[in-house]
Amino acid sequence: EVHLVESGGGLVQPGGSLRLSCAASGFTFSNYAMSWVRQGPGKGLAWVSGISGSGSNTYYADSVKGRFTISRDNSKNTLYLQVNSLRADDTAVYYCAKDRGDDSGYYYDHWGQGTLVTVSS
Amino acid sequence: EIVLTQSPGTLSLSLGERATLSCRASQSFSSQLAWYQQKVGQAPRLLIFGASGRATGIPDRFSGGGSGTDFTLTISRLEPEDFAVYYCQQYASSPKTFGQGTKVEIK
Repeated sequence: EVHLVESGGGLVQPGGSLRLSCAASGFTFSNYAMSWVRQGPGKGLAWVSGISGSGSNTYYADSVKGRFTISRDNSKNTLYLQVNSLRADDTAVYYCAKDRGDDSGYYYDHWGQGTLVTVSS
Repeated sequence: EIVLTQSPGTLSLSLGERATLSCRASQSFSSQLAWYQQKVGQAPRLLIFGASGRATGIPDRFSGGGSGTDFTLTISRLEPEDFAVYYCQQYASSPKTFGQGTKVEIK
């Protein structure tokens, strides 16, 4: 059974940083692309970033390009999102999601429960 | 960027009724459309992929259709556990975008 467990969220001041993690189990992690999707309070879903199974290809939404960095450690079955220069509008629940294939261009067949990032002074 | 517009914003229906949700795209693509269900306080769950394929474990009262710019999700007979928010998502081109959601509530 696929399990995705996010961690690393919390309260951070504007301009601050966090490192989000997503521990994966139940599938061959390196065979699948992974993504981060966020949901602001009372809002809909928004794709943030994606990474291919090998880690060689990374993708970012324009709103986070240059501030967020996605990475993965296939030896630890873990996905990361380094979030820097945080702004109030980055406040959201951040979900990690498993892509159906090994690179971009697929839907998400499993989701974690999310980790909340709150940006406030 | 492909913009997805879902309608209606809220659908008020009774148990046993049929629900028809719409997702309209700003650009045409073939069938790279997924539907997700999200209940309050929970993560999204995949329902439909490839516009009409049911995900593992999804009851057959859920069906998807359409291509090009117009897609639909139909719930043939609403059960209590179906009251939730539904999102469509395109994965035809980057960035993968979501619709704003349709809330299905009990009338």
